[in-house]
Amino acid sequence: QVQLLESGPGLVKPSETLSLTCTVSGDAVSSGETYWTWIRQSPGKGLEWMGSISDDGYAYYSPSLKGRIAISMDTSKRHFSLSLRSVSAADTAVYYCARGLQGFCNTISCYTGSWFDSWGQGALVTVSS
Amino acid sequence: EIVLTQSPGTLSLSPGERATLSCRASQSISSSYLVWYQQKPGQAPRLLIYAASSRAAGIPDRFSGSGSGTDFTLTISRLEPEDFAVYYCQQYGSSVLYTFGQGTKLEIK
Repeated sequence: QVQLLESGPGLVKPSETLSLTCTVSGDAVSSGETYWTWIRQSPGKGLEWMGSISDDGYAYYSPSLKGRIAISMDTSKRHFSLSLRSVSAADTAVYYCARGLQGFCNTISCYTGSWFDSWGQGALVTVSS
Repeated sequence: EIVLTQSPGTLSLSPGERATLSCRASQSISSSYLVWYQQKPGQAPRLLIYAASSRAAGIPDRFSGSGSGTDFTLTISRLEPEDFAVYYCQQYGSSVLYTFGQGTKLEIK
């Protein structure tokens, strides 16, 4: 079982950079590909995929955030980070880190889709001066 | 980009009743790519159904998923008090791109 925990400042000023880290613990090994992911949820709103980084270090970003976002992973693969530049009040949200699985196999079949099977508890980040 | 539209926005039912939640994609998607989550207030989402119809580990069998093409359904056969929550569908696109529906709130009538 894998556990994830977000950490970072809860308050960021407008135009500055939001930085969060996700710490991964437990057994993170799975079949198929793993995508370490950031997802956010604005107050009272739905879920927004922000971006993912694969175990081999390739990063993928939401088109709506490209140019402002960067996701990185440390060499231990036990921490991955989110950097979001030039934030505004619209970036106020609960930020979740999650493990995405792709190409998962169970005892019955293998699947080409991808989903998030483990989530952190979420970290509220408020953008305000 | 594929858009997922969930309906209804809010569903009011009583414990013991059957719930049917819909997720419609703006274009046809593989059923392998459609996923459902449950989110309770103050909690992270929890994986319920992957590949349109496969229950995740530990999910009760009163939850079932079905559908293909553009129309997918999450059914809860007999609602328990703990099932009242917000439900999201999600699809996985090629080139590692994910989108979520806007959610359906299942509330107690």
